[in-house]
Order: sequence, then structure tokens, then C-alpha cells
Amino acid sequence: DVVMTQTPVSLSVSLGGQVSISCRSSQSLVHNNGNTYLSWYLQKPGQSPQLLIYKVSNRFSGISDRFSGSGSGTDLTLKISRVEPDDLGVYYCGQGTQYPPTFGGGTKLELK
Amino acid sequence: EVQLVETGGGLVQPGKSLKLTCATSGFTFSNAWMHWVRQSPEKQLEWVAQIKAKSNNYATYYAESVKGRFTISRDDSKSSVYLQMNSLKEEDTAIYYCTWGGSDSFAYWGQGTLVTVSS
Repeated sequence: DVVMTQTPVSLSVSLGGQVSISCRSSQSLVHNNGNTYLSWYLQKPGQSPQLLIYKVSNRFSGISDRFSGSGSGTDLTLKISRVEPDDLGVYYCGQGTQYPPTFGGGTKLELK
Repeated sequence: EVQLVETGGGLVQPGKSLKLTCATSGFTFSNAWMHWVRQSPEKQLEWVAQIKAKSNNYATYYAESVKGRFTISRDDSKSSVYLQMNSLKEEDTAIYYCTWGGSDSFAYWGQGTLVTVSS
């Protein structure tokens, strides 16, 4: 299985600040068809995960442009700018390039 | 509005069985690829199973950890997907989410149903 490693495990940020979360995979996430199936999810306290970003850099419907994804191969990044209170929670990366789909261990975003 | 509602969770003894149901609305279920994803008490997410659409011959896929014990199925007439869980183990304790998406991402999630396996 593809192992997804997220860093850091937790992150403290001031409102209005900017943060980056790293996700590294044990194998390249480039599919045979040329696409890279790396997604980012946010789980707010007491809620289910929600899709933020798919295929590395595509924002899901209704997701603010303060969220941006980048990277390639085995090294992917989520950047959140102008952090708002509603952004707090646990962020997960997930890969769908190879079966079975796998997830990172999560990064908890807290207020400083 | 897309809705996925899971039911059927509860407390069960090791070795016993449980069946989860996910009722859906707000999208064309018959064309959808459906998944079950679980979240352990340690908050780790783990994909459990997938069932594709009729056009894909209802192909199913399972995580190695549940293969041979769990069965995913669907009823397109009821827009519902199911997870039959047999020979449950304590390590199956988790919140089970029904999700809709392709194989590459999970676009919509239900609220989850808690399964606790304990004697």
C-alpha cells in the first residue's frame, strides 16, 4: 500500500496568517493516465471529513481560493492563506492513484 | 442537495455480525461509485470497500483487513448501499462513513455511524 506521511502533526496559527502542510507518499502518485490523484480533506470538530482539493490543485465546489494545492510525484503541499476561525480542524491528504486508497495521519490546525 | 445517512451501528461482541445501511438522495445513485471509509478511535482514516455501478458490473473491492469478512452491496431501487460485517474484531471499532466519489477522491460523506466491538 502507498504510505502517506503528513507533516507537521500539529500547527498553530494566528488568524489572518498563512500555513503550509506537507504530504509525502512512499511511491509516485502519477497515474498511468498522467493524472495525480492526491486530495485534501478537512475534518472540523464533531463533523465528517469534507473534500477541499482534488487532483493536487483543483478546488472542490464552494471551496475558498484561500486554499491551494501544489506539488508533484511524491511531494505535495496544501497552503492556507488568511486563516479564518472556520479553517480550524484536522487536515488529511489522501491518494487515489493506487488501490487501496490511503490517507495521511492528519495535521491538526489550532489557533495560536 | 446531496445527502448520505448511515444507520445500523452499535455495540457488538467479537465474532458477531452487523449490517450498516447508507441511504442517499440528491444525486443519480445508479451511476455512482460508492465507498465505505472508517475512522479509528485514534482518528486514522482507512478505506474499507467500494462498489461500482451497474455499468461496471457492480464490481467490488475491499481492504485486505476486511476481505472475506465484510461484503458491500447496493440496491439502486432504494438508492442505498450496505456493508455486511461478519466475524467482527475489536480492531474494527470505528466510525463508519459512507462516501460518494470516484476511485480518486471522496466528494461527499455521511455523518457516520459508530461501531464498537467489545465483550
